[in-house]
This record gives sequence, structure tokens and C-alpha cells, in this order.
Amino acid sequence: EAQVTQNPRYLITVTGKKLTVTCSQNMNHEYMSWYRQDPGLGLRQIYYSMNVEVTDKGDVPEGYKVSRKEKRNFPLILESPSPNQTSLYFCASSKGTSEETQYFGPGTRLLVL
Amino acid sequence: GESVGLHLPTLSVQEGDNSIINCAYSNSASDYFIWYKQESGKGPQFIIDIRSNMDKRQGQRVTVLLNKTVKHLSLQIAATQPGDSAVYFCAENRAGGYNKLIFGAGTRLAVHP
Repeated sequence: EAQVTQNPRYLITVTGKKLTVTCSQNMNHEYMSWYRQDPGLGLRQIYYSMNVEVTDKGDVPEGYKVSRKEKRNFPLILESPSPNQTSLYFCASSKGTSEETQYFGPGTRLLVL
Repeated sequence: GESVGLHLPTLSVQEGDNSIINCAYSNSASDYFIWYKQESGKGPQFIIDIRSNMDKRQGQRVTVLLNKTVKHLSLQIAATQPGDSAVYFCAENRAGGYNKLIFGAGTRLAVHP
């Protein structure tokens, strides 16, 4: 089944404790992206990757890092989480051209205490 | 339940009626538009898309209308069913660039029996 998977689905952590949220897609998509979703603000892009070893900032990159060492994986790293990073996070992927639909993972709900 | 739907405009309809969800997009240069459906606890799910060289596109029970003059997008759902209850997002993809989606804030559709 073609899908985007994320782990963990739920995470509670404390301020300053590094964490990684994994994202994997099995559709051989070149483009991958991370979004956060907050009440009243919709989905906002954090980082994106056009292909392996190619990443760039989205609209809200502060406090996040990403890497793209393999085509299928695009982990999101929070080196020192803060409470304002409490949110619902979605990974998405697409074939890569500007008119290709992005497919979303199931989401990771993060609470930073 | 999910908190992402708080503070969203809500459209309430009776089962069997037609629903119309509206969206104003921001950039006249956007050339590709998508409607997503997000059910509680899930990631956004693709419904239908339309390119800027079209003004109407039909799917199964759904129709998207695009009015570029006033930068307006609408999603029509025929014979709305309880399973259609969700938050609906429109997204625009800016022309000429990478696959970056700009999402609207969303509209909650509540279907009553």
C-alpha cells in the first residue's frame, strides 16, 4: 500500500530534550515536506526537500532541522524543544513537480512541557 | 479529539443536502489548487484538484469551481453524507517553483442526520 508513515504518533517530552520524528514514504517520491498544524493557523511548512541531500527552509523553520540521506526518509529533528513547538506535525511527499498532489502522513502530536 | 478544528468557520448541513465550501486564495500567480479533507485524528486527504487553465472540474460527488478574476475557489459536495463530516482545506501551489502548498485556515463541515 502506497503510504507515508510517521513515528511516533504521540510524544510527550520536556524542554531541551532532543527528539526526532521519523517520516518514510514508499512511493519513490522525490519531494518531501514537513508541516505543523496549529489551531486557527492551518498548516504551515517547516522544511522541504526536493531530493536526496537537497533541503530548504519553509515558512517556520526556526528550532527545527531535517536531513535527507535517503530518498524514502525525511526525519524532523528538534535539537532543543520548547513549549511553543507543541503542535501536530505532518510529513508529506509528492513526485516533485509543481503540479503534483502531496500525500500526507497520519500526523505526530507533540507536547513539550 | 483533535484541537486543530477549534476556531474554524463551520458549515452545518442536513444529510442529503448539497454543501458548498468556499475559499479565497492569495496569489494571482498560483496555477494549481487542491482541496483536502481532514478527518479527526488523520492527515489531510486529497479530494480533488484543478489547474488554473480550467474553471470547473468534477469528481465523484464533488465539483471544484475556480474563479481567477476574484481569486475564489469552491468545493461542492452533492448529497452530503455523515462520512463527509470533516475539516476541509483549500491549498494553492505557486507557479513556476517547487511544490510548495499554501493552505487556507480550513472550514469544518458538520453533517446532521
